Amino acid sequence: DTEVTQTPKHLVMGMTNKKSLKCEQHMGHRAMYWYKQKAKKPPELMFVYSYEKLSINESVPSRFSPECPNSSLLNLHLHALQPEDSALYLCASRNSGSRETQYFGPGTRLLVL
Amino acid sequence: KNEVEQSPQNLTAQEGEFITINCSYSVGISALHWLQQHPGGGIVSLFMLSSGKKKHGRLIATINIQEKHSSLHITASHPRDSAVYICAVGQNTDKLIFGTGTRLQVFP
Repeated sequence: DTEVTQTPKHLVMGMTNKKSLKCEQHMGHRAMYWYKQKAKKPPELMFVYSYEKLSINESVPSRFSPECPNSSLLNLHLHALQPEDSALYLCASRNSGSRETQYFGPGTRLLVL
Repeated sequence: KNEVEQSPQNLTAQEGEFITINCSYSVGISALHWLQQHPGGGIVSLFMLSSGKKKHGRLIATINIQEKHSSLHITASHPRDSAVYICAVGQNTDKLIFGTGTRLQVFP
C-alpha cells in the first residue's frame, strides 16, 4: 500500500465555521506534511510532523491547527478562515531519512466563502 | 533569484515528440525530485535522484551534481503526459525546495 488518502476531496466553508481535514497513510512513514497550494504555484510547506511530534511550523496563522493523533493519521483543524485561505491542501508522508521519496495525497480543495 | 529554477515555464508539443524539461539549483542538495501534477489533482513522485540517471517507462531523469542541473525527458510524448512537472530539492532536512513548475501540453 503506497497510498496517502485525504478526506474530504472538496470542502466549502464559511468564515465562522470549524472544519477538519484528514490525512492517512499505512506505509509506516514517520514524517507527515501539510502543504498549501494556490493555483499555478508550487506547494508551500505549512507543517511537518516527525515521529508524531511537530517539527516544523512555517509561521502558519493559528486559524490552522495541526494534530497527529497517531503515526498513521494527520489532521488539520480549520477555524475562522479567510477567503484567501481557499486553496488545495496537500498531505504527504515519507520514511525517515532525507533521501526518501515523499508520497503525496490527492489533496482537499477548500473554498472559504 | 529562486534556489530552484525550471525551464521552460510552458511547453507545448505534438504527440510523439521528445520533450526535455530542465532544472537548475543553486544550493547543496541531498536529493532531487521530479514530481507530476495533473490539473486539479494531487502530486505523483516520478523520480528521486542523487546521482546519474533513472528510467521508468518513457520517462528518463538525469542529474549532474557538479553542474547543479537535472533534466527530465519524455520520449514518444502522449496527450496523457499533459501536466505540470515540478522539480524539488532536498537538503538533509524535512523540507523540499520547489521549482515553479513546467506546464506541459501535448496535442494529438
